[in-house]
Amino acid sequence: QKEVEQDPGPLSVPEGAIVSLNCTYSNSAFQYFMWYRQYSRKGPELLMYTYSSGNKEDGRFTAQVDKSSKYISLFIRDSQPSDSATYLCAMSVQQGAQKLVFGQGTRLTINP
Amino acid sequence: NAGVTQTPKFRILKIGQSMTLQCTQDMNHNYMYWYRQDPGMGLKLIYYSVGAGITDKGEVPNGYNVSRSTTEDFPLRLELAAPSQTSVYFCASSYISNEQFFGPGTRLTVL
Repeated sequence: QKEVEQDPGPLSVPEGAIVSLNCTYSNSAFQYFMWYRQYSRKGPELLMYTYSSGNKEDGRFTAQVDKSSKYISLFIRDSQPSDSATYLCAMSVQQGAQKLVFGQGTRLTINP
Repeated sequence: NAGVTQTPKFRILKIGQSMTLQCTQDMNHNYMYWYRQDPGMGLKLIYYSVGAGITDKGEVPNGYNVSRSTTEDFPLRLELAAPSQTSVYFCASSYISNEQFFGPGTRLTVL
């Protein structure tokens, strides 16, 4: 069993739709949860960061963490073609030098 | 600031050859990392460093070596390249905060 599971997709939705991306994990020691966005042939860039359980909102993006279910989600509202990318969830046990464990990424396409 | 830079962008190696992937950051970050990303997969940590002179293994260190003689540079050495090392390699750095900044990657093919 992988430590972090993420549906690889691909996922294709029309512009303006609400997108839901999810990851499950098995290690209950994970405390820090991140979502990275990776455009084709580029390095990942941090999109959202949360600590422990709860919600965090940043513009059109909302990250949710449910530690009791070992489940995290990223919601994108009013999706735009520029949101087309691969979205990777990542988690770590500690702060400082974080040894991130990544999901395999979900490839998302927003159709105009 | 250039951020995290990596060279080369692309490289083709023959089995058994060696090479060094270069990584430099100009943000004065103390933590640096090397990841590999196989097609359709997430990133796996190879090695990381918490400061000059200090390195440690990640999840997939076999076949690789690193050194950290300065804050800015964190080269990754491949000895005796194998086809299983065909991948995209990303270097990242971070400060005390948890955000890791990634470089543009090096695409390596071993034939």
